[in-house]
Amino acid sequence: DIQMTQSPSTLSASVGDRVTITCRASQSISSWLAWYQQKPGKAPKVLIYKASTLDSGVPSRFSGSGSGTEFTLTISSLQPDDFASYYCQQYDSYSLTFGGGTKVEIK
Amino acid sequence: EVQLVESGGGLVQPGGSLRLSCAASGFSFRTYAMSWVRQAPGKGLEWVSAVAGTTTSTYYADSVKGRFTISRDNSKNTLYLQMNSLRAEDTAVYYCAKGFATSVRGAFDIWGQGTTVTVSS
Repeated sequence: DIQMTQSPSTLSASVGDRVTITCRASQSISSWLAWYQQKPGKAPKVLIYKASTLDSGVPSRFSGSGSGTEFTLTISSLQPDDFASYYCQQYDSYSLTFGGGTKVEIK
Repeated sequence: EVQLVESGGGLVQPGGSLRLSCAASGFSFRTYAMSWVRQAPGKGLEWVSAVAGTTTSTYYADSVKGRFTISRDNSKNTLYLQMNSLRAEDTAVYYCAKGFATSVRGAFDIWGQGTTVTVSS
């Protein structure tokens, strides 16, 4: 199975900060990567798919980049609604896998 | 409105069985791949199983292979997960998720609210 490693696992930041989360794949997955946001007690919500395509309705402060084995999710200016957990997911293989998650906390 | 509503969770003893259901509405259910994704208490997301649209090919995580069976009834717009030989480590919130396309190799654009499965004696 393809392993997905996210870093950091926890991130403390302030409103207005630029935030970057990294996801590394154990083998090349081309651009077959999605990012999700999850708030406590709620289902995940897709933010980005195919590494850099913003889903409909997602604010433009979110962006994704990368290909192959290294990917990033960037929030250009952190807003109060963005404090949540974020997960990457690869879909290059038929055995789908998620990263371990990054919790973005208020500094 | 596109919606997924899970049901069937509950408390079950180790070794027991449970069947989860996911009722879909607001989209052409038969066309899209569907998956089950779970989240153990305080942990991250784990993909469990998927079934393709049209071909209905099925796929499983190694952790549940041979114990869980995914199926879909396109006439009822419903996804199922039959879970047998349940273990304590299967305790989790189980989410039903819709794929972007027919193939299971995709991201998930719609999620249900989740149903909780607790395996304990």
